Amino acid sequence: ETGVTQTPRHLVMGMTNKKSLKCEQHLGHNAMYWYKQSAKKPLELMFVYSLEERVENNSVPSRFSPECPNSSHLFLHLHTLQPEDSALYLCASSQVPGSEQYFGPGTRLTVT
Amino acid sequence: DQQVKQNSPSLSVQEGRISILNCDYTNSMFDYFLWYKKYPAEGPTFLISISSIKDKNEDGRFTVFLNKSAKHLSLHIVPSQPGDSAVYFCAADSGGSNYKLTFGKGTLLTVNP
Repeated sequence: ETGVTQTPRHLVMGMTNKKSLKCEQHLGHNAMYWYKQSAKKPLELMFVYSLEERVENNSVPSRFSPECPNSSHLFLHLHTLQPEDSALYLCASSQVPGSEQYFGPGTRLTVT
Repeated sequence: DQQVKQNSPSLSVQEGRISILNCDYTNSMFDYFLWYKKYPAEGPTFLISISSIKDKNEDGRFTVFLNKSAKHLSLHIVPSQPGDSAVYFCAADSGGSNYKLTFGKGTLLTVNP
């Protein structure tokens, strides 16, 4: 595997479910990001991790819980989501925070 | 309040002609600008960037121009190819300890054969 991978690619979950999104980067980068892309809206930064430490939480509701166990892996734990949370969730990584970011293919999440 | 604006949701160009994608920003603290390209079912791919100390950066068929006084940047693709058909996002970074890239909504470019 090369670049940034994300699993699953598609996820449908009910409002009472708990699920996790996984991201893995194979680029040796030190920073990782979660973004949300809703229809007709700009990409919204959710979280930034630098060397496994969270350095930015962009006013994201607590029903989204990130986890970065090491510099190659990033998770987004989801629980009691709302239908308006349906979106494309993109993971990205960069060599250092603020440099060019490399994106994964995204997880298309639908909350029913 | 959108700090990075791409006012054209879509653009259609004939193959071989020039494509010009525009982006305006409002935050004067932005000092680094990037263009990303996104195909359906894929994540955005970094295309080209420019620092605020420059007014032009060129990479093959892609050139980005920055007009700081107008807070405007543009991406020129010449000659345009059908494979360039994608959504193009403009993004801006204010550097320092702020790790946030601020993205525009994107412009869908269609290059017709």
